[in-house]
Amino acid sequence: DAGVTQSPTHLIKTRGQQVTLRCSPKSGHDTVSWYQQALGQGPQFIFQYYEEEERQRGNFPDRFSGHQFPNYSSELNVNALLLGDSALYLCASSYRFSNYGYTFGSGTRLTVV
Amino acid sequence: AQKITQTQPGMFVQEKEAVTLDCTYDTSDQSYGLFWYKQPSSGEMIFLIYQGSYDEQNATEGRYSLNFQKARKSANLVISASQLGDSAMYFCAMSFSSGSARQLTFGSGTQLTVLP
Repeated sequence: DAGVTQSPTHLIKTRGQQVTLRCSPKSGHDTVSWYQQALGQGPQFIFQYYEEEERQRGNFPDRFSGHQFPNYSSELNVNALLLGDSALYLCASSYRFSNYGYTFGSGTRLTVV
Repeated sequence: AQKITQTQPGMFVQEKEAVTLDCTYDTSDQSYGLFWYKQPSSGEMIFLIYQGSYDEQNATEGRYSLNFQKARKSANLVISASQLGDSAMYFCAMSFSSGSARQLTFGSGTQLTVLP
């Protein structure tokens, strides 16, 4: 049973560029959440997608946007990259609004230079 | 607002000994979940243990147990018989309802080092 798959694993981008990160949820899960984890800190909630809609958003600017596809996979897009966007981006999937059962991927490590 | 506090940036423990990682939380919600995750250097968040706010008994999962004291708003993780492979970053997290979604709030983590 495949867990959460994220791609790419590592990425280097130049300031001002745009980036797209991808996430395939665990089989049976239909909800995808994205988190940003800066070096030495705990993950911060970016947003959550369910039924192809953004259901809730954390304290992140509009440069961060996302999408969920009918097969429940999801993309995170970041425009006009800043040096401060360098972080590990984690995707977590779950079933509906479960209070339990979050499964995380291994993350995408984004470096902005 | 929900908040998780982990006051131990780093902890050392001797192999085969037990260790307690501290976590306190703040919320006005009645329904919430408390989690502990392990994050090795590879980056993946590995689920260790879960405690629901209405669960009366402390959760246990193998060598992991959660010391849940609701009145004190604490959810400490106890790892028994530490192993070298337990060396990693440990995060306490809380799930709560936010609008039409549920999200996790994480603490700042504790770096655990197991000494041979």
